[in-house]
Amino acid sequence: DAKTTQPNSMESNEEEPVHLPCNHSTISGTDYIHWYRQLPSQGPEYVIHGLTSNVNNRMASLAIAEDRKSSTLILHRATLRDAAVYYCIPSITASKLTFGTGTRLQVTL
Amino acid sequence: DTGVSQNPRHKITKRGQNVTFRCDPISEHNRLYWYRQTLGQGPEFLTYFQNEAQLEKSRLLSDRFSAERPKGSFSTLEIQRTEQGDSAMYLCASSTYRGAGELFFGEGSRLTVL
Repeated sequence: DAKTTQPNSMESNEEEPVHLPCNHSTISGTDYIHWYRQLPSQGPEYVIHGLTSNVNNRMASLAIAEDRKSSTLILHRATLRDAAVYYCIPSITASKLTFGTGTRLQVTL
Repeated sequence: DTGVSQNPRHKITKRGQNVTFRCDPISEHNRLYWYRQTLGQGPEFLTYFQNEAQLEKSRLLSDRFSAERPKGSFSTLEIQRTEQGDSAMYLCASSTYRGAGELFFGEGSRLTVL
């Protein structure tokens, strides 16, 4: 499994954009980059995944570096409901995900 | 769509007792996963099923742990002779075979071993 490095914590103001970085320098060419988040007292929730091209969905955008050694999850307008732990997971398949300790995002008014 | 359902949500037991958790996946999902999460850590993969076949087991799944999915629908995770180190949140997730990019997690079953 590729090793990932994410900040332990980040803070954001509500309604501001948030950029959550992830380094995965040992990623293999066939690994997708998955992002999940976990709200307090809940199971993880899928956010987005991509392989090479940037991806957008209703929740977020995923920007993938050209060399694929890093990626950034972008929340366009953070809300209090976005306060969670965000996990970046490189994996060839979602059948066996290796979660790290993630980034704890705090959102303040 | 009622989502992934797990029962019981909380279980307190004494060391040495057996416990069983149940997971009901989203109805059309043929893949089912079990993860374990301890405080301050991310979830750790335990095992997964495709229909009734258990396709992979983690080394974390000791002989005291057994998971089944007898008819390819709900699944049970049994822990025999519980130890204090088994205290954790046990998470179940499901997905469609083709939807490998997205797992749907339940809210988990929290086990406390006294």
